[in-house]
Order: sequence, then structure tokens, then C-alpha cells
Amino acid sequence: GQQVMQIPQYQHVQEGEDFTTYCNSSTTLSNIQWYKQRPGGHPVFLIQLVKSGEVKKQKRLTFQFGEAKKNSSLHITATQTTDVGTYFCAGTPGTSYGKLTFGQGTILTVHP
Amino acid sequence: ETGVTQSPTHLIKTRGQQVTLRCSSQSGHNTVSWYQQALGQGPQFIFQYYREEENGRGNFPPRFSGLQFPNYSSELNVNALELDDSALYLCASSLEGVEEQYFGPGTRLTVT
Repeated sequence: GQQVMQIPQYQHVQEGEDFTTYCNSSTTLSNIQWYKQRPGGHPVFLIQLVKSGEVKKQKRLTFQFGEAKKNSSLHITATQTTDVGTYFCAGTPGTSYGKLTFGQGTILTVHP
Repeated sequence: ETGVTQSPTHLIKTRGQQVTLRCSSQSGHNTVSWYQQALGQGPQFIFQYYREEENGRGNFPPRFSGLQFPNYSSELNVNALELDDSALYLCASSLEGVEEQYFGPGTRLTVT
């Protein structure tokens, strides 16, 4: 079945440093979504990418979808303590609406 | 907050027992998906309900079953509980044809 892998598993940064997490799928995806989960919380939708090679920005966050639609990345510029949490990518194969396959997540810790 | 509610918040059950978890979807959302999130892992797709019918299932045994009601709320039932069923159970609502998932706060199930 479809697998979604994320690296790194953990990332510790000093406040102000940049952060990147990478996501790779074993199969081509129709779209990829990114979620953030704060400690003790639930996943919160950040963004969805649909087109091959798509790049989207949200303030300090930049999201990319690979040309082959099998990989993606999330880059945070100048991290802040509010960025702490686990970042998940989640992919949908074909037209299986909502049947997301999540990666195992990258846990981001930001030291002030 | 997403408007998706789940009950109960926490639950402790004994191995072999049965449990029912409940979810109320965000207003207007007609699709509910259930996920199991073990500690330190990404959410795993259990199944999805659309218009009161199961609309896709992940790699979970038949003792995991569900229902969706005319008001789009949903239940997840787990029979013959096993220790490995201990996890955070998340429901997520969405609108037909829209990929973005709105997650509820989850039910923390502990099986002893």
C-alpha cells in the first residue's frame, strides 16, 4: 500500500534559525496536505498543494510539491517559539477524497 | 477551533470490552473520517463515511466499525478491545469533493 515517509523525525533549532522537513511518497499523489499538531492537540490544516511543481507561501512558511507529485517540503524561515509542534504531510492517492495517508511527522523544538 | 466535537475526551477500558466513540461534524460538512493516532506516530486512516455509507476503509480489522447519522454525526465502535488499541482517536469532517480535513480534539482511549 501507499507509504509516506518524513525526515527528519526530530529537529531542534535556535529561535531565528530556519527549518525544513521533507516528505516522500511511494506512489504518485493527487495532492498533498500539511498539518501542524501542537503538543496535546489535534492536527490543524495548514495548506494543500495540487499541481506538479507548485510552491505556496504563508508568511514565513514555504511549501513545495515535487514535479513528479511524489515529494514535498515545508520550509520555515526564522523560526519562532510559536512554531513548536509536529508537522505532518498527508497524501491522497487518485481521487480518494479525505482518505489521507499521513507521514510519521517531524517534531520541531525551538529554543529561545 | 474547528467546530468538530468528540466525546468522551478520555476513556479507560479493559481488554475484551467494547467501546463507542462519538463525533459531531462541522456544520455543513457531510463527510466524516476516523483516524487512529498512536503515541509518536502520524494518524492512520480507519474509514470514512459519506451520506451514511462507508466510503473507504484503511487497514483495520472488522471489529472496528462505524455509523453515520442523517445529521452527519458519526460513531466509531471497537469490539474485543486489545492493548494495542490504546491511542488517540480523531475524527475529521470535510465537505464532499473538498480535501481539507477539520479535526476534532480526539478521544484518548486507554486499554488495560
